[in-house]
Amino acid sequence: QVQLVESGGGVVQPGRSLRLSCVASGFTFSNYAMYWVRQAPGKGLEWVAVISYDGSNKYYADSVKGRFTIARDNSKNTLYLQVNSLRAEDTAVYYCAKRAETSAVIDYWGQGTLVTVSS
Amino acid sequence: QSALTQPASVSGSPGQSITISCTGTSSDVGGYDYVSWYQQHPGKAPKLMIYDVSKRPSGVSNRFSGSKSGNTASLTVSGLQAEDEADYYCCSYAGSSTFVFGGGTKLTVL
Repeated sequence: QVQLVESGGGVVQPGRSLRLSCVASGFTFSNYAMYWVRQAPGKGLEWVAVISYDGSNKYYADSVKGRFTIARDNSKNTLYLQVNSLRAEDTAVYYCAKRAETSAVIDYWGQGTLVTVSS
Repeated sequence: QSALTQPASVSGSPGQSITISCTGTSSDVGGYDYVSWYQQHPGKAPKLMIYDVSKRPSGVSNRFSGSKSGNTASLTVSGLQAEDEADYYCCSYAGSSTFVFGGGTKLTVL
């Protein structure tokens, strides 16, 4: 079965950086576009970034453009999100998610990793 | 990249039906038949309930149904059960592999 396991979250000071990781299993990782979606405490879901199956195309939400970088290593079945210049408003659970095979929707989500930006 | 508009809350009694609306624009909901709905229980990851406007993934109860008219999509839950109480989010494809989510609707089963 599909499994997505995120890691790398934690408490970080404003302006600092983190790298989030997501290890995928149960499907052919290299065949699918992958996403990062975040959810601030008590708030709704916000799409953050997407990377194509081969890493050649990447798109970002305006709120993170220029500060966050999405990447993948298909040899390691791993998705990454480098988050720089963190702000208090970046505090959220960050979910790794997989695009469906036959539709432009997200079909599976990880359990998320919490990033808290605080001094 | 403006969020889709959902009501903050809806409620219904067991056995009743409720409908949650999701309003976007011609650049997202109205422009693509890639509207999906997610159920999220507290502290849990979202779960796909409806995709491609009205399709149900394997294992999702047929009490859940979806539709779309113009720039507004809807999720209907019939025969409400206690376990349906959760937050529900709509999501639409918005071109260039990007997505936009709704603000979420809290469903309360009275």
